[in-house]
Amino acid sequence: GNSVTQMEGPVTLSEEAFLTINCTYTATGYPSLFWYVQYPGEGLQLLLKATKADDKGSNKGFEATYRKETTSFHLEKGSVQVSDSAVYFCALSAALYSSASKIIFGSGTRLSIRP
Amino acid sequence: DVKVTQSSRYLVKRTGEKVFLECVQDMDHENMFWYRQDPGLGLRLIYFSYDVKMKEKGDIPEGYSVSREKKERFSLILESASTNQTSMYLCASSSSSGANVLTFGAGSRLTVL
Repeated sequence: GNSVTQMEGPVTLSEEAFLTINCTYTATGYPSLFWYVQYPGEGLQLLLKATKADDKGSNKGFEATYRKETTSFHLEKGSVQVSDSAVYFCALSAALYSSASKIIFGSGTRLSIRP
Repeated sequence: DVKVTQSSRYLVKRTGEKVFLECVQDMDHENMFWYRQDPGLGLRLIYFSYDVKMKEKGDIPEGYSVSREKKERFSLILESASTNQTSMYLCASSSSSGANVLTFGAGSRLTVL
C-alpha cells in the first residue's frame, strides 16, 4: 500500500544551520508529494508541493525535489531561523475517486531552533 | 481569508458520553476530511466526504460516525466516547480541482475521562 516514512525527531539545530528532514515514500502510480508545517497551537498548513518527478517545490526558503528513482522528497533549508521551530509532515496523495484523493501523512518531525 | 473553523478548541468529556465535533469551511470545497493526530503516529484519516450526504471510511473509522448535510459543514460524532479517543482532531477540506491541497482547521483537543 501507500505509505510515507520520515526521519524521527526531535531535531534541534542552532540558528543559521543547514536543515535536512528526510522523507521517503511507497506508492503505486504517480502521487503528488507535499510538506505541511504545524506551528505551535495551530493546524497544519501547506509548506510546499511537487506534482511530478523532478519537480522542485519551494517556499519560505525551504525546498524539496520529487525524486522518483529514490522515492524521496527530502526537505531542505540553507539557514534556519528560530521562527522555523514547528512540526513538519511529509505527505502524498493517493487517488481514490475522480473527485477526491486521500492524503497520507508521515509521523511528523519536530524541529527546534536554538537562538 | 479562507477558513476552516472547528467549533471547539478544547473539550473534556466523560466515558460513554456522545460527542459532536463540528467543522465549517467557507471555500465551497467539495471534499472534507477528519483526521486524528497522535504523537508518533502522525495524522490518521477517520472519515472523508466528497459530496453532500456522501461519506467514506478512512483508515480508523471504528467508534466514529460523520454527517454532511450541507456542503460547508462536516460533523464528527463519537457515539460513546472512550478514553482511547483522547486525541487532537483535525478537520480539513480540499477542492476537487485544487491539486489535492488540504486546508486545515486549528484542531479540537478532546480529553475523555
